[in-house]
Amino acid sequence: AAGVIQSPRHLIKEKRETATLKCYPIPRHDTVYWYQQGPGQDPQFLISFYEKMQSDKGSIPDRFSAQQFSDYHSELNMSSLELGDSALYFCASSLDKDEAFFGQGTRLTVV
Amino acid sequence: AQSVTQLDSQVPVFEEAPVELRCNYSSSVSVYLFWYVQYPNQGLQLLLKYLSGSTLVKSINGFEAEFNKSQTSFHLRKPSVHISDTAEYFCAVSPLYSGAGSYQLTFGKGTKLSVIP
Repeated sequence: AAGVIQSPRHLIKEKRETATLKCYPIPRHDTVYWYQQGPGQDPQFLISFYEKMQSDKGSIPDRFSAQQFSDYHSELNMSSLELGDSALYFCASSLDKDEAFFGQGTRLTVV
Repeated sequence: AQSVTQLDSQVPVFEEAPVELRCNYSSSVSVYLFWYVQYPNQGLQLLLKYLSGSTLVKSINGFEAEFNKSQTSFHLRKPSVHISDTAEYFCAVSPLYSGAGSYQLTFGKGTKLSVIP
């Protein structure tokens, strides 16, 4: 069965650079969530989209932005990267309020 | 707002022994409850969930969890663990349907289960 696809799987950036993470939800899923998991930490909710509109916002820094496109894929844009942004970024998708399925994550390392 | 407490950060257990991973939550509204498992360098996989109905829920690989509303707990148990169960386990809650597309999860800090041969 199709799963949530995230790209890239690994990304290394320097401080103050910009990164773009992509998420392709399970077909027909209309909701996308982004989570950030720092080293040894629990996942923290960043932002979610339902039918291409932002539906909820968590602890997402102002340096980050995200959107969901007409084909339902989502991108998380991160600017002015800091060392503390190094983390595993998960995308999850669901069909409205049903169970959320997680992708494998993108490991971002800021050096 | 919701919060989740997993009392044990690490649990070592011998193979074929029983295990219980504890989870307590706090919320001002009713919630859905979940257990996710994360293997090294992998994503989060849903292990089991409680939405409504029977308070005892079971997974296909022998884990079970019981929702106790009075104690606000959702402990995870398995009567006999295998080496392959070694992973990190996260308890999570989500508020009962709070609006379209609003299904955000609040996670606990995780419990690392190490199964010893």
